[in-house]
Amino acid sequence: AQTVTQSQPEMSVQEAETVTLSCTYDTSESDYYLFWYKQPPSRQMILVIRQEAYKQQNATENRFSVNFQKAAKSFSLKISDSQLGDAAMYFCAYRRGGATNKLIFGTGTLLAVQP
Amino acid sequence: GAGVSQTPSNKVTEKGKYVELRCDPISGHTALYWYRQSLGQGPEFLIYFQGTGAADDSGLPNDRFFAVRPEGSVSTLKIQRTERGDSAVYLCASSVAGQVFGYTFGSGTRLTVV
Repeated sequence: AQTVTQSQPEMSVQEAETVTLSCTYDTSESDYYLFWYKQPPSRQMILVIRQEAYKQQNATENRFSVNFQKAAKSFSLKISDSQLGDAAMYFCAYRRGGATNKLIFGTGTLLAVQP
Repeated sequence: GAGVSQTPSNKVTEKGKYVELRCDPISGHTALYWYRQSLGQGPEFLIYFQGTGAADDSGLPNDRFFAVRPEGSVSTLKIQRTERGDSAVYLCASSVAGQVFGYTFGSGTRLTVV
């Protein structure tokens, strides 16, 4: 069975600084996708960034980038120039390739941004 | 609608009662998903609908949980004989069929069983 592990329950960063959130996963599949979701107090899960396992290039979306290490099964999220609005729970998620659309989530990291 | 709508936003019920949670997906989204998020945890998959049929219900924890989507749009998650352990946020998401990245989540229903 696939599992997703986030070992940092809480992180803190100063406004304008950079922070990295860790995620590891376990799978025997070769075709899969990885995601980072943000969950503010409104509870709605918002997609931050995604990575296809077959792509070697790390995904980037504005201030958000990932470090995808396929052999190590690691998928960390880097937030640059942190803003107060980045404060939220962040979840790493895995989806197997193929017909299934089921996401498997980690337990989350609560990010605080200090002014 | 513009987004995935879930009602009610919050629900408090007594142990042993029956509850229904509603999800109204984005118009045109044929795929619909239910997840349960317990306190301090990430969301856990419950069930996935493609159209009117449940394509994968492997996440339903027991036979007290049931979900329907009779017309391929609105879905209702039904919980019988609620237990305190059912207290959680129930999230719904929808997407266009076959779209890998197109999940849109609702804001969930917080169910509290007292």
